[in-house]
Amino acid sequence: AQTVTQSQPEMSVQEAETVTLSCTYDTSESDYYLFWYKQPPSRQMILVIRQEAYKQQNATENRFSVNFQKAAKSFSLKISDSQLGDAAMYFCAYRTPNTDKLIFGTGTRLQVFP
Amino acid sequence: EPEVTQTPSHQVTQMGQEVILRCVPISNHLYFYWYRQILGQKVEFLVSFYNNEISEKSEIFDDQFSVERPDGSNFTLKIRSTKLEDSAMYFCASSLLAGGADTQYFGPGTRLTVL
Repeated sequence: AQTVTQSQPEMSVQEAETVTLSCTYDTSESDYYLFWYKQPPSRQMILVIRQEAYKQQNATENRFSVNFQKAAKSFSLKISDSQLGDAAMYFCAYRTPNTDKLIFGTGTRLQVFP
Repeated sequence: EPEVTQTPSHQVTQMGQEVILRCVPISNHLYFYWYRQILGQKVEFLVSFYNNEISEKSEIFDDQFSVERPDGSNFTLKIRSTKLEDSAMYFCASSLLAGGADTQYFGPGTRLTVL
């Protein structure tokens, strides 16, 4: 079965510092996609970054980058220069090309302190 | 920027009653989804919908659930006879394309409380 695990229920970071959120997944597929979604309090989930498994290069979106280790089935999110607006629940998700459904982890709540 | 919207934000109902949760997907999107999140648990896929048909559903999506696109803008989830365990946050999502890396855009959710 395909599963996504986020082992950190909560994380905190000082403003302007860097934080890494971890995600591991289990799959026997070779072709798939990985996503990080951010859900601010009382707001909808928005896509932060995504990674295609066939790409060796790690995805980057401004202050957000991933460390994708395919052999280890690990997909961590690094937030650099953390801002107060980064405080949110972060969900890691997985999807294969032949299915519509996203499989989510349990989420990591990130607090950012001034 | 276009957003997925959902109404109501919170719905309270009695066990056994029917509820309809409403969603307005992004206007040019063709694929629609419902997910739910029971408090303290993972977000779970319920169903996907394309071209007025269900394209995929999970084992959670049993006969008490149905989806419909009654007009060109709304996408609804109906629960025929609610149970206590249906209490959850229900998220609607839409995407332009299906599969692959195409982004699913989520609404803010409807919190359903079944008493």
